[in-house]
Amino acid sequence: RKEVEQDPGPFNVPEGATVAFNCTYSNSASQSFFWYRQDCRKEPKLLMSVYSSGNEDGRFTAQLNRASQYISLLIRDSKLSDSATYLCVVDGGSQGNLIFGKGTKLSVKP
Amino acid sequence: NAGVTQTPKFQVLKTGQSMTLQCAQDMNHEYMSWYRQDPGMGLRLIHYSVGAGITDQGEVPNGYNVSRSTTEDFPLRLLSAAPSQTSVYFCASAGRYNSPLHFGNGTRLTVT
Repeated sequence: RKEVEQDPGPFNVPEGATVAFNCTYSNSASQSFFWYRQDCRKEPKLLMSVYSSGNEDGRFTAQLNRASQYISLLIRDSKLSDSATYLCVVDGGSQGNLIFGKGTKLSVKP
Repeated sequence: NAGVTQTPKFQVLKTGQSMTLQCAQDMNHEYMSWYRQDPGMGLRLIHYSVGAGITDQGEVPNGYNVSRSTTEDFPLRLLSAAPSQTSVYFCASAGRYNSPLHFGNGTRLTVT
């Protein structure tokens, strides 16, 4: 099982749609979880951290399920500007360092 | 408010040449790292440092060297470039490991 797995997509959705991404991780000792956004030919940028109780930032909601070892990202009312690749990031447990998933590509159409 | 600065943005090398990718951060971050990103492979950790004078290998360290003589700088050296090292390289820093990473703009390297 790969350490951090994501559905590569692409997810093609119309403006205004709600879209959800899931990510599974293999190390039960992981403690830090993040979602990053990467635009084409740009560097990854932090979208949001993921907390145990779940957290929301505007149209974005992140959830963590430790028992099943997955995190999710929900985007409501999609905008054209949300088109990007979304990277799931998890720490490597006792080995430290952050491990990146390969990303899920989102394309929001008018 | 520079953040993480990488140079150069683009580089073309011939097989066997050596070069150094520069990375500097002005946020007084202890943790710095280098990743490479290839199509279909995601971001893979090359080397990292948890403080000045301390470096360690990541997932794909072969063919690369690093040093951390100051908190601010973390250069990546390619000893003898190979076509397999054609990639986009990102430097990143964080207050400590497992904290959110701040990335530089990246260096697109082509080895012919």
